[in-house]
Amino acid sequence: DGGITQSPKYLFRKEGQNVTLSCEQNLNHDAMYWYRQDPGQGLRLIYYSQIVNDFQKGDIAEGYSVSREKKESFPLTVTSAQKNPTAFYLCASSSPNRGPTQSGNYGYTFGSGTRLTVV
Amino acid sequence: DAKTTQPTSMDCAEGRAANLPCNHSTISGNEYVYWYRQIHSQGPQYIIHGLKNNETNEMASLIITEDRKSSTLILPHATLRDTAVYYCIVRVARTGTASKLTFGTGTRLQVTL
Repeated sequence: DGGITQSPKYLFRKEGQNVTLSCEQNLNHDAMYWYRQDPGQGLRLIYYSQIVNDFQKGDIAEGYSVSREKKESFPLTVTSAQKNPTAFYLCASSSPNRGPTQSGNYGYTFGSGTRLTVV
Repeated sequence: DAKTTQPTSMDCAEGRAANLPCNHSTISGNEYVYWYRQIHSQGPQYIIHGLKNNETNEMASLIITEDRKSSTLILPHATLRDTAVYYCIVRVARTGTASKLTFGTGTRLQVTL
C-alpha cells in the first residue's frame, strides 16, 4: 500500500548537534511538507516543496534545512541553530494537480511523525 | 485562507452522536471546509470536506450552513477510538501549487463510557 514513512519514530539529540529526519513517500505526490507540533498546539509549517530540486520556507524555517533531490524523499535537518528543537515533527505530501472532487483531499497524507528530544 | 474558531474541548458518551462546531465567518466563495483529526502522537487523518452542500462518508457527516459561515462535523455513533483532536480548516481549492494547510489548536474530543 502507498503511504508516507517517517523515521525514526523517536530521536534523541545532544545540544549542538545536527540531526536529519527522514521522510519517504511512494504515492507519486509532487508536493511534500514538513510541520512542527508542540504540546497542545496546532501544526506549524517549516518547509515545503512543490517539485524536485525546489523548496520554499514556511512560517518557522529558521534553524532548519531541507533538500529535495528525489520526488520520493524530503529529509529535514534540524541544525544547532534551532534554539528549541524538542517537538513532534510531521511530514506530509499532496498531489496539487488533483482537484478536490477527484481525491477528496488532493491526496493530502501525513506520516506518523518523529518525536525529537534534545538531551 | 480563512481563519476558523473551534471550542477547545468537548465530551461525548460512547454510542451517542458527537457534534463538533466550527465557525468560519470570513470564508470566501471558493474556499472549501476540511476536517482532519489527530489521535495522540500520530499524524492527522483526513475525515471529510465540503464546499456548500452537506456531505457524508463512512466516517462522518458535514453540515454547512446556508451562509457558509459555520459548519458542524457529526460522528453519528462515537466510540472510544474517536477520542482525538479535530481540526477544521478552510482553504482554496488551488490546483497546480502546493497546498499549505493551516492548523489551529482544534477541538479535543473525549469519548467516555
